[in-house]
Amino acid sequence: DTGVSQDPRHKITKRGQNVTFRCDPISEHNRLYWYRQTLGQGPEFLTYFQNEAQLEKSRLLSDRFSAERPKGSFSTLEIQRTEQGDSAMYLCASSLAYRDGYTFGSGTRLTVV
Amino acid sequence: TQLLEQSPQFLSIQEGENLTVYCNSSSVFSSLQWYRQEPGEGPVLLVTVVTGGEVKKLKRLTFQFGDARKDSSLHITAAQPGDTGLYLCAGPNQAGTALIFGKGTTLSVSS
Repeated sequence: DTGVSQDPRHKITKRGQNVTFRCDPISEHNRLYWYRQTLGQGPEFLTYFQNEAQLEKSRLLSDRFSAERPKGSFSTLEIQRTEQGDSAMYLCASSLAYRDGYTFGSGTRLTVV
Repeated sequence: TQLLEQSPQFLSIQEGENLTVYCNSSSVFSSLQWYRQEPGEGPVLLVTVVTGGEVKKLKRLTFQFGDARKDSSLHITAAQPGDTGLYLCAGPNQAGTALIFGKGTTLSVSS
């Protein structure tokens, strides 16, 4: 297994555009998480999937954000009408159980100009 | 609201020095984890501590979970430039569905 993969690694977009990120978790992990991290901060929880079900969303996840995990495999995170405040590193992680350590991907660095 | 506070925020030391970083909360956690993150990469799990008073060692790194399970510390002996990075502590949220993270301690070790 090659670990958690995220694509793209970097994305520069103009304000108001839509962007979509992809995460491929470790295949046997049924839990998948999205976090956002800004400079000098720890990762902030955005949303959590168990298999294909989205079981929890943070209040940080505004209506412009949507995440899916069709068939309980890869996941996508879409941001509509991007704003400069959306600039951050978006991290995906997977695990077998919440007590288990997370395996993180390398993240997608989003810059909104 | 559960919060994990880490200190110091920044630490810059010379190779060979010892250091301790702290993770504190007013809430009790069933377990705490420590991660290390390098620039431009995702965090990597170092250790999970689950029992109050527990001490775990990973080569030159020693992790301790407080007796009351509200705090943890990470001690590094004879720091090396390869130890440079952001050290994050994390614990499960009240719902037990996801981890919450502290803001981290940025460690810089120069040779």
